[in-house]
Amino acid sequence: ILNVEQSPQSLHVQEGDSTNFTCSFPSSNFYALHWYRWETAKSPEALFVMTLNGDEKKKGRISATLNTKEGYSYLYIKGSQPEDSATYLCASANDYKLSFGAGTTVTVRA
Amino acid sequence: ETGVTQTPRHLVMGMTNKKSLKCEQHLGHNAMYWYKQSAKKPLELMFVYSLEERVENNSVPSRFSPECPNSSHLFLHLHTLQPEDSALYLCASSQEPLGQGEWGYTFGSGTRLTVV
Repeated sequence: ILNVEQSPQSLHVQEGDSTNFTCSFPSSNFYALHWYRWETAKSPEALFVMTLNGDEKKKGRISATLNTKEGYSYLYIKGSQPEDSATYLCASANDYKLSFGAGTTVTVRA
Repeated sequence: ETGVTQTPRHLVMGMTNKKSLKCEQHLGHNAMYWYKQSAKKPLELMFVYSLEERVENNSVPSRFSPECPNSSHLFLHLHTLQPEDSALYLCASSQEPLGQGEWGYTFGSGTRLTVV
């Protein structure tokens, strides 16, 4: 079992503010890093899959960066809205196994 | 809807019961997965099927038995479960095994299982 760590475990952000949080993963035999958004009572939804060091991906107000040499990825939410409230999961593919972190739960206050 | 359908959404079963969870996808994906999520823990991989062949069995107790009759359907047969098996069971599929493609996994909504 690979150690994929996400921090913080939870955070509260005021509507309109921007925020970011971290996923750290083993850099050895790394293949890909996934980000998912999981809203309550729904299915986890894929946001990004990144493979190359220095990758940056963007989807609307959400973006992510990848550093495979030091083993971390950041997810950024710009101008948070209530609909951004969810648990954000990252997963690292190493040695052809995909291991998930425990998630960062984001609550956006109106 | 994500394209991956799980039934039932909720299940309560006694420790001596036998039940099955069903997962169905019509996305043309080649790989299907069962994951377990217990409270406050990361998703735990249970089983992986690629092209209907089981390629991963992550030290799961034999009281959980998967079945993949074709590329669109995946079952998890349950028998003589323990209360600690109560959890959310998620099914997922992907075009390529272990999410190597650019789209990642497509998840179902899960079955919330309670063992009494």
